[in-house]
Amino acid sequence: GIQVEQSPPDLILQEGANSTLRCNFSDSVNNLQWFHQNPWGQLINLFYIPSGTKQNGRLSATTVATERYSLLYISSSQTTDSGVYFCAVGRSNTGNQFYFGTGTSLTVIP
Amino acid sequence: NAGVMQNPRHLVRRRGQEARLRCSPMKGHSHVYWYRQLPEEGLKFMVYLQKENIIDESGMPKERFSAEFPKEGPSILRIQQVVRGDSAAYFCASSPLREETQYFGPGTRLLVL
Repeated sequence: GIQVEQSPPDLILQEGANSTLRCNFSDSVNNLQWFHQNPWGQLINLFYIPSGTKQNGRLSATTVATERYSLLYISSSQTTDSGVYFCAVGRSNTGNQFYFGTGTSLTVIP
Repeated sequence: NAGVMQNPRHLVRRRGQEARLRCSPMKGHSHVYWYRQLPEEGLKFMVYLQKENIIDESGMPKERFSAEFPKEGPSILRIQQVVRGDSAAYFCASSPLREETQYFGPGTRLLVL
């Protein structure tokens, strides 16, 4: 399968700070999503971004598929951003199952 | 448009009992995926189904686990003779096409006593 590494594993931020989360993957993919798992365990879609750059409010993401990495930017962090951020990748010729990274655990303190 | 529905949200079973987890995909979605999340870990793929077909079950344990997605009704993940190691959160996702984004349900938390 495809190996997915996320960094950093843990991150503590002061409210208002900015951060960059990284996702490296070991093979070519045509599907990549970023998720936020909130403290209640729900997985929330952030971005479907197999390539290029997208922005949604304080969040943006960039995927450079040729170099096999994606970045998630969080600006002006809020306490509600706390939780675990997962990157998941897939490839349609392998059934498009997602391979998940182990996540970045983010804690935003007031 | 309702999201992916899973029930029950929490399930407690004693060792040796059976667990049945249900997943109703989003309207218009014909692809269903099941994932398992052990405590403090990322999600691991189990099985990919379309209506009446198992497309890929490479992540499914060979024994005690089975999945189906009948022509009518929800997809079912069945775990027979549960053991403590089966305790986990089980997530279902659906998509309209193979390359499309996957939408996840709220998960079923299974606890085996």
